[in-house]
Amino acid sequence: EAGVAQSPRYKIIEKRQSVAFWCNPISGHATLYWYQQILGQGPKLLIQFQNNGVVDDSQLPKDRFSAERLKGVDSTLKIQPAKLEDSAVYLCASSVRTGGANVLTFGAGSRLTVL
Amino acid sequence: AQTVTQSQPEMSVQEAETVTLSCTYDTSESDYYLFWYKQPPSRQMILVIRQEAYKQQNATENRFSVNFQKAAKSFSLKISDSQLGDAAMYFCAYRSAIWTDSWGKLQFGAGTQVVVTP
Repeated sequence: EAGVAQSPRYKIIEKRQSVAFWCNPISGHATLYWYQQILGQGPKLLIQFQNNGVVDDSQLPKDRFSAERLKGVDSTLKIQPAKLEDSAVYLCASSVRTGGANVLTFGAGSRLTVL
Repeated sequence: AQTVTQSQPEMSVQEAETVTLSCTYDTSESDYYLFWYKQPPSRQMILVIRQEAYKQQNATENRFSVNFQKAAKSFSLKISDSQLGDAAMYFCAYRSAIWTDSWGKLQFGAGTQVVVTP
């Protein structure tokens, strides 16, 4: 099966500019996650979707970050305006919401550098 | 809230040797899942091994095995017969088994960089 697709792979912007990242999950995966991974740290959950509804955005900086998942498939994560501390890798993951171990499949990530 | 701690920023191992990575976690839950993920320079997070807390038997996947000590809240990963391809960042992760709206999310540790030398 095709994996989780993300784009762009790399993005360099200046502070106060805006940026958007796109994610296409594995077909049939109802749950989608966006994680932020700052250099030297483990990934931190920003937002979790179940189909096209948000089920957890408790760690999303809502004054500058927004995300949507149209039609329960693709998702877009936007940052506006960007700050220096937003420099990180943004990982998208998806899973089938069933019992058991419920393994997450990750994309290759989008690396953001804010100058 | 659960926390996951990896106290080893970097571990070095020679090819064909064995290395053990440490992970401890804090939770008040009795049922949960633990994972080890590998992240090579390509950034793709790859599942290495998983453990269900209700299972006493330690999980094994080929050269990878875990030592799960539930009472001590410890979950170490052993890589046997290390290969150059094992070089990567390894993350320990926790997932609750309690069914909530946000069920499924992972809580990660800070990671351990594994360096494999020829």
